[in-house]
Amino acid sequence: GENVEQHPSTLSVQEGDSAVIKCTYSDSASNYFPWYKQELGKGPQLIIDIRSNVGEKKDQRIAVTLNKTAKHFSLHITETQPEDSAVYFCAASKNNAGNMLTFGGGTRLMVKP
Amino acid sequence: DSGVTQTPKHLITATGQRVTLRCSPRSGDLSVYWYQQSLDQGLQFLIQYYNGEERAKGNILERFSAQQFPDLHSELNLSSLELGDSALYFCASSVGGRGDNEQFFGPGTRLTVL
Repeated sequence: GENVEQHPSTLSVQEGDSAVIKCTYSDSASNYFPWYKQELGKGPQLIIDIRSNVGEKKDQRIAVTLNKTAKHFSLHITETQPEDSAVYFCAASKNNAGNMLTFGGGTRLMVKP
Repeated sequence: DSGVTQTPKHLITATGQRVTLRCSPRSGDLSVYWYQQSLDQGLQFLIQYYNGEERAKGNILERFSAQQFPDLHSELNLSSLELGDSALYFCASSVGGRGDNEQFFGPGTRLTVL
């Protein structure tokens, strides 16, 4: 089955700096890659996703890049703010019925004011 | 607010007991997913239902079972509880049943087994 590795497990940045979180996946047939943000005491919230026919996607301060050949994808957050502090999860899936999301281990991002 | 509701928010019970967790999906969503989140295992997919039928199964123990009712709400039943079952249990929902459908998570149920 699919295996998703996520690095780093913790990341501390100064407010205004950029943050990058990287994930690798094992199943070359995976073609859907969402990112979730989980704040303390809440459920994961979908913040951005990318499909394998696209190399990059951007939404305001958040961008995701995908390298299918190397089987890795990354989340980039620019101009970080204290409210970006949370745990971020990457995930991978195939687009068939009956295929589930496989999550990475999570990255705790701390943005220091 | 994702639109997915879960009850109860917290549950404290003893080993050997049985509990039922409830989930109501977003309006219009046909698929419901159950996940377990523990400190050492991360987010683990348990099971998916689509329009009342089981669609996919993950690392769900035989002591656990689930179902989706005609009104599309779902229940996760955990029996013969062990200390290691203490975790956060999340429900998510999506419009369709494919792996690339956006999933929206509920606030979770925190289960503590003493």
